[in-house]
Amino acid sequence: RKEVEQDPGPFNVPEGATVAFNCTYSNSASQSFFWYRQDCRKEPKLLMSVYSSGNEDGRFTAQLNRASQYISLLIRDSKLSDSATYLCVVTRYSSASKIIFGSGTRLSIRP
Amino acid sequence: GAGVSQSPRYKVAKRGQDVALRCDPISGHVSLFWYQQALGQGPEFLTYFQNEAQLDKSGLPSDRFFAERPEGSVSTLKIQRTQQEDSAVYLCASSLVPSSQETQYFGPGTRLLVL
Repeated sequence: RKEVEQDPGPFNVPEGATVAFNCTYSNSASQSFFWYRQDCRKEPKLLMSVYSSGNEDGRFTAQLNRASQYISLLIRDSKLSDSATYLCVVTRYSSASKIIFGSGTRLSIRP
Repeated sequence: GAGVSQSPRYKVAKRGQDVALRCDPISGHVSLFWYQQALGQGPEFLTYFQNEAQLDKSGLPSDRFFAERPEGSVSTLKIQRTQQEDSAVYLCASSLVPSSQETQYFGPGTRLLVL
């Protein structure tokens, strides 16, 4: 079983829809959590950090549930430009090697 | 300002050939990471430098993989006697300070194909 697991998708939703992804992690010592976005054949870019209290950035909301060991990303009023792969990242900084990327969830927004 | 750059962007190698991949991090960034990303997968950690010190190389898949950052800026990932399973995108990332909260900035990657 992978340490960080994501539903690979693809999620295919109409423009304007709300879509949510979950990411589960297996190590309870995990400390920091992030969502990265990766466009096709491009490098990953930080979308947002995920804080225990939950956080929002425009149409994007990230939440952390430590008890159940998952993080979520909610995208409201989705745009065509949101089409990408969303990577969940979990770290525990006892060493740099504990930066674990999920395999990503593919999202496709249709007109 | 300039982001992370990598060269070459594409590399085709014959099985058994040695390759060298270069990463130029953002100027002043202390931390530098190398990742390997196979098709349809997330990046997998290979190795980490803090300045010139290689603090973690536990992700390197075999002793054919070697990385260095001799002056604490540019880094080179070398793969000796390449195998077909080495075909992947090799991503370099840098961050300003060594903190788990720090954003990593990725380069565009080197796409390696071993025939």
